[in-house]
Amino acid sequence: DTGVSQDPRHKITKRGQNVTFRCDPISEHNRLYWYRQTLGQGPEFLTYFQNEAQLEKSRLLSDRFSAERPKGSFSTLEIQRTEQGDSAMYLCASSFGQGRTTNEKLFFGSGTQLSVL
Amino acid sequence: AQKITQTQPGMFVQEKEAVTLDCTYDTSDPSYGLFWYKQPSSGEMIFLIYQGSYDQQNATEGRYSLNFQKARKSANLVISASQLGDSAMYFCAMREGLESGGFKTIFGAGTRLFVKA
Repeated sequence: DTGVSQDPRHKITKRGQNVTFRCDPISEHNRLYWYRQTLGQGPEFLTYFQNEAQLEKSRLLSDRFSAERPKGSFSTLEIQRTEQGDSAMYLCASSFGQGRTTNEKLFFGSGTQLSVL
Repeated sequence: AQKITQTQPGMFVQEKEAVTLDCTYDTSDPSYGLFWYKQPSSGEMIFLIYQGSYDQQNATEGRYSLNFQKARKSANLVISASQLGDSAMYFCAMREGLESGGFKTIFGAGTRLFVKA
């Protein structure tokens, strides 16, 4: 049973460049989440997919961020025109859920550490 | 608005002793779930324990137990017989139910636990 995998593990880029991260969830999971975590803080919700539909997006997410989940399998998170403030760990999580349940536990990947120079 | 507060940035515990990590939460939704996750230095968040808002008994999972005090809106994690491998960041998290309209899980800022030999 493979877990959630994220690629790359580390990304160093120059300010103004575009970057794309990939997340492969656990195969039978229909829900996928992206979170951002800065040093010393807890994960901050970015966006959520149920199958291929993006159902929720944080108001904190600027227009430079876009996420997709084609065919309801893997997901990509793209950041355009990166800024130094985008430096963080980007975590992907998946789960299997139906309806609005409160007991849905998340399975996380190891994250992509982004450094913007 | 929903909120999770963890007031202990760092905690020390002697190996084999018990330790309590504090968590308070705020929500107006009567239905919610509370979680604790562990994040070792490798970065991957690991689910530890879950407590539903309507559960009458405190949740337990092996050496982990959740001290749920609904009226005080607290959900403290108790780790018994600490082991060196318990050294990690610990995050309290909450997922709201039917009234919130959303699907996200929110996290506190975390507590770093150091287990001393």
